[in-house]
Amino acid sequence: DQQVKQNSPSLSVQEGRISILNCDYTNSMFDYFLWYKKYPAEGPTFLISISSIKDKNEDGRFTVFLNKSAKHLSLHIVPSQPGDSAVYFCAASLQGAQKLVFGQGTRLTINP
Amino acid sequence: DTEVTQTPKHLVMGMTNKKSLKCEQHMGHRAMYWYKQKAKKPPELMFVYSYEKLSINESVPSRFSPECPNSSLLNLHLHALQPEDSALYLCASSQDWNEQFFGPGTRLTVL
Repeated sequence: DQQVKQNSPSLSVQEGRISILNCDYTNSMFDYFLWYKKYPAEGPTFLISISSIKDKNEDGRFTVFLNKSAKHLSLHIVPSQPGDSAVYFCAASLQGAQKLVFGQGTRLTINP
Repeated sequence: DTEVTQTPKHLVMGMTNKKSLKCEQHMGHRAMYWYKQKAKKPPELMFVYSYEKLSINESVPSRFSPECPNSSLLNLHLHALQPEDSALYLCASSQDWNEQFFGPGTRLTVL
């Protein structure tokens, strides 16, 4: 039972345009959501997070949107840059559970 | 110091060897984690230490043995591994269970 799903294994975007990565979850008890970026052979790097009491969080070029009724979150990157090419994982946590549940990841490629 | 360090970066071992992976953080985080990651898959949680005590073991085989000598260090002792245990092993730490900070990982190959 996959509680966090990233249905697009890959996404290709032109440099300078907006990248939108999507994530769906099934457990309505999740109360915190995160996005990580991962380059090959490196550990994931924390990007941005959002609490379930908010619907938007912004940090520079990165914005995360949370739609609790749809159990959906998205990461917007604008403008997209070549260095953004990586695998992006969304993750969710449950208060007190002491662990993250990861999605399968989306490989983002930014084309010059 | 805002990073998690892991040694070694790469490790090749035979199925009869005993080796250890090491992880260190100096952010004062109270929780430390071991994950295993296979290619094109998300990180898979193995163990969680909370205040130096093992709080979660995700049914990991006993050939993997974690140890937390102090609040900054986390080890993973390996013995009699199988080729299918080859993977990237990631250590992470966090203060509040949410934002976990990952190390660069150890690429393990079991021959």
